[in-house]
Amino acid sequence: AQKVTQAQTEISVVEKEDVTLDCVYETRDTTYYLFWYKQPPSGELVFLIRRNSFDEQNEISGRYSWNFQKSTSSFNFTITASQVVDSAVYFCALSGRDLDMRFGAGTRLTVKP
Amino acid sequence: DADVTQTPRNRITKTGKRIMLECSQTKGHDRMYWYRQDPGLGLRLIYYSFDVKDINKGEISDGYSVSRQAQAKFSLSLESAIPNQTALYFCATSGPKQETQYFGPGTRLLVL
Repeated sequence: AQKVTQAQTEISVVEKEDVTLDCVYETRDTTYYLFWYKQPPSGELVFLIRRNSFDEQNEISGRYSWNFQKSTSSFNFTITASQVVDSAVYFCALSGRDLDMRFGAGTRLTVKP
Repeated sequence: DADVTQTPRNRITKTGKRIMLECSQTKGHDRMYWYRQDPGLGLRLIYYSFDVKDINKGEISDGYSVSRQAQAKFSLSLESAIPNQTALYFCATSGPKQETQYFGPGTRLLVL
C-alpha cells in the first residue's frame, strides 16, 4: 500500500524567512513518481514539481527547492525568502505502479507580512 | 480557455437527490480522475479511467458512479446524496506514463 505523510499540519512564518515542508512516503514499488501541488486560497490545485524514483538530484526553481532522499523516503520542499503570496496549502503526492495517486493531508503555510 | 473544466462550480442539494458533476478537458489526455477533498484528509481518489472503455474504482468509490462518455468527458454521479458527501470535488487528467495530473477548478458540493 502507498502512503504519504505530511506531519506538519500548519506552519506560520514571517515574510523573508525560509521554510521547509516535510513529506515522507511509503511504497513497495521500485518505480514511482513524487509530486508537489500548491492550493492557494482560491482553491485550485497548481502543479509545482514531479520527480521520478530514479532521479535523486535536488532541484531548484527560483525560491523553491526540493530535496529527494530515497534512503529516508522523503521529498521535502523548501521555500527561500518566503512571501505573503506563498500562503497556501501544499500537498505532496505519490504515484506508483498501480497508477493511482495518493496525496498527503497537506500543510497549510501562512506567511505573515 | 481552461484546459480542464468542471460544472457546476457550486451545488447545494438535499439528502436523497441524484446529482451529476461533469468534467471536460481539451488537453487530449486519455486518463481522467475524480477526487474529493475534505479538510485534513487531502485528496482521495474516487474513480479513474484510462480510456473510454476502462473504468477503475479508487480508494473511496462507495456511493459514487462514473461515466466516460468520450475521451474528453468524465462524469461523476451521486445516485442518492448524503450529507457526508459534502466536499470539494476535483477532476484531473493526465497523459501516458504517469505524467503529471492537471486539475480542474473544483466543484463545491453541499448536501443538506
